[in-house]
Order: sequence, then structure tokens, then C-alpha cells
Amino acid sequence: QVQLVESGGGVVQPGRSLRLSCAASGFTFSSYGMHWVRQSPGKGLEWVAVVSYDGSDKYYADSVTGRFSISRDNSKNMLYLQMNSLRAEDTAVYYCAREGCCYSDFDYWGQGTLLSVSS
Amino acid sequence: QSALTQPASVSGSPGQSITVSCTGTSSDLGNYNLVSWYQQHPGKAPKLMIYEVSERPSGVSDRFSGSKSGNTASLTISGLQAEDEADYYCCSYAGSSNYVVFGGGTKLTVL
Repeated sequence: QVQLVESGGGVVQPGRSLRLSCAASGFTFSSYGMHWVRQSPGKGLEWVAVVSYDGSDKYYADSVTGRFSISRDNSKNMLYLQMNSLRAEDTAVYYCAREGCCYSDFDYWGQGTLLSVSS
Repeated sequence: QSALTQPASVSGSPGQSITVSCTGTSSDLGNYNLVSWYQQHPGKAPKLMIYEVSERPSGVSDRFSGSKSGNTASLTISGLQAEDEADYYCCSYAGSSNYVVFGGGTKLTVL
């Protein structure tokens, strides 16, 4: 069965960096685009970034462009989100999600990992 | 990126039908038939309920249906059940510049 397991969240000070990871299993990871979606406490979903199946194409939300970097290692079935210059407003649960057929359909989600940016 | 616009809340009694609207622009929702809907229960990850405007993933009840007209998409839930009480989010592809945009979410209360 498809599984996505995020890790790497925690408490970090503003301006610092952190890398989130997402371990994928149960499907051919190298065949699917992968996304990061976040949800601030008590708020709605916000799309963060996408990487194509082979890692060649990457897109970002305006709110993280220039600070966050998405990547993947298909040999390890791993998805990553490198987050630099963190701000308080980056505090959220971060989900990794598999893209189904068509850009905006996320057919499998991880359980999420919580990032708290606070001094 | 601007979020798609959804009502903050809707409610209905068991057995009734409700519709959640989702309004975008001609740059996102109105330009692509790539609208999806997600159900999220408290403390849980979102679950895909509808994709490509009106397609249901395997295992999703046929009580859930989707449609689109112009810049507005809709999710209809018929035969409301207690377990349908959750937050619902719409989502649309928005082209290579903005890629994906979500709605602000709608809280469904089953009375």
C-alpha cells in the first residue's frame, strides 16, 4: 500500500534552516510528481512546491520562492524540502503528497510533520 | 497567489443535500478542468474526494459529486451522514506561473 512518511519537523529559530524529508513506499516513486503542502495551525491548506517525476522541473509558491528548495532522490524513494531563512509565518504542518494524474489532484498524503518557527 | 473563494461554513441535516461553492478566476479555475476537492477531518491528513472537476477516486462514495461552470466549481454531497462533517477544500491548477491554488476551506456541520 502507498505510504508517505514525513520527518524532520521541530522547533527552529527565525532565520535558521531546516530540511524536511518524506519517505515513500508502496508505489513506483520515480513515476510520480511530488508536492509539499502546508497548513498553519487552525488555517487552511497552502500549496508550497512541486517536483516532477524525474526532478527536472520545480515550481514554488510565491511565499517560499528563493527560500525553499524541493528535491528528490529516486534511488532512495525520498522527497525533500530544504527551508532557509525561516520566518514565524512558516509555522505549519507540512504534508508531502503524491500527484495523481493531473497537476492538482493529490491522491495520497503523509501524516504531516510540524514545524514551529519561534525565538 | 490568491486563494480560491469558498464559504466559511455550510450545514445540513442528515439525509439532505448540500453544495459547497468555490470561485476562482479565468487564470486558474476558469481556465482548466483541473479542479479537485479534499475532505479533512480534525487532526487528519486531507483526503481526495473529487478530481478533474467531477471524477471520483476509487472508494469514494457516489454521494459526492463535482461540477464547474465558468469560474465557479461546486461540490455536492447528497444523503448527508454524520461522518461527512469535516472541512472541505477546493483546489485548482493555475498554470506554470502559480501552479496550484487552494480555497480557504469550508466547514461542513451535520445538524
